[in-house]
Amino acid sequence: AQSVTQLDSQVPVFEEAPVELRCNYSSSVSVYLFWYVQYPNQGLQLLLKYLSGSTLVKGINGFEAEFNKSQTSFHLRKPSVHISDTAEYFCAVSVPTSGTYKYIFGTGTRLKVLA
Amino acid sequence: KAGVTQTPRYLIKTRGQQVTLSCSPISGHRSVSWYQQTPGQGLQFLFEYFSETQRNKGNFPGRFSGRQFSNSRSEMNVSTLELGDSALYLCASSLGPPNTEAFFGQGTRLTVV
Repeated sequence: AQSVTQLDSQVPVFEEAPVELRCNYSSSVSVYLFWYVQYPNQGLQLLLKYLSGSTLVKGINGFEAEFNKSQTSFHLRKPSVHISDTAEYFCAVSVPTSGTYKYIFGTGTRLKVLA
Repeated sequence: KAGVTQTPRYLIKTRGQQVTLSCSPISGHRSVSWYQQTPGQGLQFLFEYFSETQRNKGNFPGRFSGRQFSNSRSEMNVSTLELGDSALYLCASSLGPPNTEAFFGQGTRLTVV
């Protein structure tokens, strides 16, 4: 069965430091990969997505992610975080099922940026 | 263009009651999915509707049901509410997976007392 694992439930980091949020997926077929961000009391907003092509994907707010097929990973990175990046981040895959596709989300990583 | 609209934003219900949540997708989007979000569990997929047909269903009991209307608006119903149904219910619309972005509403915070 397909699944998404976000290894860290919480990541504290100081402002202007780099951060990496880890995501691994399990799937026997090709998938499409997404990172979403959720601010308090809000819905989810797309940061970036990998569909095909270059394995390094750039998104909004200075985030980027690298698709690694051999390691089945799609880690999210930012070279310098800001206080405003404090939020919960979700990795997701779109997988085929019952003749269509559905999204499977990880359990989320809560990023806390410290002053 | 207008985003995904969920109503109401907050809801308090008593155990045993039923509740209906509403979702208006982005204009032109025919796929509407529902998720339950609870601390520690992340987003659990409830079901997806496309052109008024349920295409996918998650592992939730039959107390959870939904429907989609011809204008793509969707409703989700939970009957015989339990305390464990307290959660943020998120609706997402898209042109349709697999490679299209899902746009999320702000959610309905349901509290069962």
